[in-house]
Amino acid sequence: AQTVTQSQPEMSVQEAETVTLSCTYDTSESDYYLFWYKQPPSRQMILVIRQEAYKQQNATENRFSVNFQKAAKSFSLKISDSQLGDAAMYFCALNPMTDDMRFGAGTRLTVKP
Amino acid sequence: DVKVTQSSRYLVKRTGEKVFLECVQDMDHENMFWYRQDPGLGLRLIYFSYDVKMKEKGDIPEGYSVSREKKERFSLILESASTNQTSMYLCASWTGGEYTGELFFGEGSRLTVL
Repeated sequence: AQTVTQSQPEMSVQEAETVTLSCTYDTSESDYYLFWYKQPPSRQMILVIRQEAYKQQNATENRFSVNFQKAAKSFSLKISDSQLGDAAMYFCALNPMTDDMRFGAGTRLTVKP
Repeated sequence: DVKVTQSSRYLVKRTGEKVFLECVQDMDHENMFWYRQDPGLGLRLIYFSYDVKMKEKGDIPEGYSVSREKKERFSLILESASTNQTSMYLCASWTGGEYTGELFFGEGSRLTVL
């Protein structure tokens, strides 16, 4: 079975500072993708960043980067220079190549001005 | 820009009513999905479709059915709504071509069953 665990239901960060959202997962697959999705209040969910499991290099998209630890099955998201627009629900997701995508329970991020 | 449109943002229905949630995508994607989003549970897959008239059960299909008569449209049907189906419903689509893993989501339909 594939599972995704986000142990932080809520996080807050001061504007311009850095925050890290945690995610652990479990899968027996050797080939899979990991994602972070962002759901702003009353708006549609969008992809933030994607990591292929076979790539050792951590993915980066502007202020967003991940720390992918394959052996530990950990996939954390770091947001640098946080902005008010970063406030949202963040979902970690696992997509093994032979099964459906699995989502974590989500982390609600608040950005304080 | 890619677009997934859900017909209703907010619905209030009574127990026992039949409910239709409509989803349309303009990206010519083969795959479409219906998820249910509940606090503390994340997104759970109800049904998905990989082609017209094709459907597959997800993790929580009980109490739901789907219809996909045209490639761009995927409908979720609650035959007899119950209070435990009060939730946020998200439609998503994904191309069946080169794998990117990116799901494109609609804005969601928040259903309240009284």
